[in-house]
Amino acid sequence: AQKVTQAQTEISVVEKEDVTLDCVYETRDTTYYLFWYKQPPSGELVFLIRRNSFDEQNEISGRYSWNFQKSTSSFNFTITASQVVDSAVYFCALSYNGNKLVFGAGTILRVKS
Amino acid sequence: GAGVSQTPSNKVTEKGKYVELRCDPISGHTALYWYRQSLGQGPEFLIYFQGTGAADDSGLPNDRFFAVRPEGSVSTLKIQRTERGDSAVYLCASSLVVDETQYFGPGTRLLVL
Repeated sequence: AQKVTQAQTEISVVEKEDVTLDCVYETRDTTYYLFWYKQPPSGELVFLIRRNSFDEQNEISGRYSWNFQKSTSSFNFTITASQVVDSAVYFCALSYNGNKLVFGAGTILRVKS
Repeated sequence: GAGVSQTPSNKVTEKGKYVELRCDPISGHTALYWYRQSLGQGPEFLIYFQGTGAADDSGLPNDRFFAVRPEGSVSTLKIQRTERGDSAVYLCASSLVVDETQYFGPGTRLLVL
């Protein structure tokens, strides 16, 4: 069965600190996709990144970076120099069979000024 | 361009009533998905459409839930004989084709009294 675990329920940091959100997944499929979405207080899920199972290269986009390690079934997300606007719930998700997403329970990130 | 839109944004109904939730996907997107998000949890898959047909409805909780997409664009999620446990945010997403990134709408908050 497919499963996504985000062990950190809530993280609080002070502005400008770096923060890493953990994601561990389970799947028997060899082809799958991993995602991160951001859900700000407004409620709409905002797409951040999509990574396929054959591409283990880390990715950086501005202050965001992602570390994908198949050996540990992890897809962690780091925000560098956090800002108050980064406060949100962050979801890691797994897609298999090319369609449905399986989400983790989410990590609440609170960035204090 | 316009994103995924959902109406109504909020719906309050009484136990036992029938409700319809509407989703208008991004123009040109052929795949459409419905998810349900309960408080403090990640979204859970309900059903997805490829064109007009429901390709996978394995997430629908029971036969009170039904969804249609008659012309391959707008979709309606229908819930009969609503129960208090149906209270949640119902999210719609669309993707250009199956296996591509899903973009989410703002959701419909359903409250069953």
